[in-house]
Amino acid sequence: DTGVSQNPRHKITKRGQNVTFRCDPISEHNRLYWYRQTLGQGPEFLTYFQNEAQLEKSRLLSDRFSAERPKGSFSTLEIQRTEQGDSAMYLCASSGTAGSSGNTIYFGEGSWLTVV
Amino acid sequence: QKEVEQDPGPLSVPEGAIVSLNCTYSNSAFQYFMWYRQYSRKGPELLMYTYSSGNKEDGRFTAQVDKSSKYISLFIRDSQPSDSATYLCATSYTGANSKLTFGKGITLSVRP
Repeated sequence: DTGVSQNPRHKITKRGQNVTFRCDPISEHNRLYWYRQTLGQGPEFLTYFQNEAQLEKSRLLSDRFSAERPKGSFSTLEIQRTEQGDSAMYLCASSGTAGSSGNTIYFGEGSWLTVV
Repeated sequence: QKEVEQDPGPLSVPEGAIVSLNCTYSNSAFQYFMWYRQYSRKGPELLMYTYSSGNKEDGRFTAQVDKSSKYISLFIRDSQPSDSATYLCATSYTGANSKLTFGKGITLSVRP
């Protein structure tokens, strides 16, 4: 069990550029989540996949944000035309379904985005 | 009003103290209650989770849920400097492996 892996860990980008983050969940987990966390706040839910299907998206996920999980394994979160307000830590998490060994949510170390 | 409110911090205690961390929530449909610990610039890690009302103990940690008052607590006994971190309460409608709603977190510092 190597845990949830996120890359890159840190990204500094200029306003208006596109950025993409990758998440590799725990191998046997079929649920994958993206959260965003700003300083002094708890994580806020962005979106959730079960296998390759994106089942829920938050209102926080504007049309500049897109997430994919093409083969039900790794996932990418792309932010287009970044704005300074997008500066945050983007957390990926995974879990199994009820009855499996993954019945709680495990978080990755996060990907820090700074938009300058 | 946010769905999960957490007592504001930061909190500083001497080593060995008993720490009480508290949250309230507004939606009675929440059934699962979690406490996560987050060290600086790291992802949250699950400490404990509880289904419905009641107490759950794990070593020096006790989680308590009172659904009648919509109140969640985490007690830490014999606190250690290594307990210094941000503590996040979280709730879920359908399971500890489902979408979570977090409080804003409280930063705890345990002084040697």
